Amino acid sequence: AQSVTQLDSQVPVFEEAPVELRCNYSSSVSVYLFWYVQYPNQGLQLLLKYLSGSTLVKGINGFEAEFNKSQTSFHLRKPSVHISDTAEYFCAVSVPNTDKLIFGTGTRLQVFP
Amino acid sequence: GAVVSQHPSWVICKSGTSVKIECRSLDFQATTMFWYRQFPKQSLMLMATSNEGSKATYEQGVEKDKFLINHASLTLSTLTVTSAHPEDSSFYICSAREGGPRSANSPLHFGNGTRLTVT
Repeated sequence: AQSVTQLDSQVPVFEEAPVELRCNYSSSVSVYLFWYVQYPNQGLQLLLKYLSGSTLVKGINGFEAEFNKSQTSFHLRKPSVHISDTAEYFCAVSVPNTDKLIFGTGTRLQVFP
Repeated sequence: GAVVSQHPSWVICKSGTSVKIECRSLDFQATTMFWYRQFPKQSLMLMATSNEGSKATYEQGVEKDKFLINHASLTLSTLTVTSAHPEDSSFYICSAREGGPRSANSPLHFGNGTRLTVT
């Protein structure tokens, strides 16, 4: 079975500082990996995804993530955050041979001025 | 881009009544839609997979008689919470995948969610 662990429930950071949101996954087979962002009282928006190929994936809003197979990680990074990046971020892994996604527990990114 | 419309965005109902939530894919066809439930400050928990023209597939622990799912067309799935109780109060989110079944690398589009409060 697949699982996703987001180690940090909250990450406070000042505006223009870099940020890393951690995600580790568990799977005995190859999976696809995703990062989603959720703004208050809204659904989820895809930031980026890793399917195959280059391990460094660039997404929207200046975010990027690096797939590390040996460490089973898919950490999300942004070199300089904005106030508008304040939101909940979810890491997700696909379940092979299904259409399902398994989500992590989320990380609340709080950007302070 | 592809849009998934979810309606209503919020609803308040009395205990014992039923509530229907709609999920529509506006500019693409979705043979598969997903229904999630999210408790405050928690992750999304998959409730069921809605399949057009066939019965929904429910996750373990989800009562199929309480959470009725109908996927009558390629653009519409509905979730009906029957005989709602206060513990059913939650944020319900639907999603739809472009492309056919088992296309896990195809984009998954989410609705904006429905906040259900049962009094």
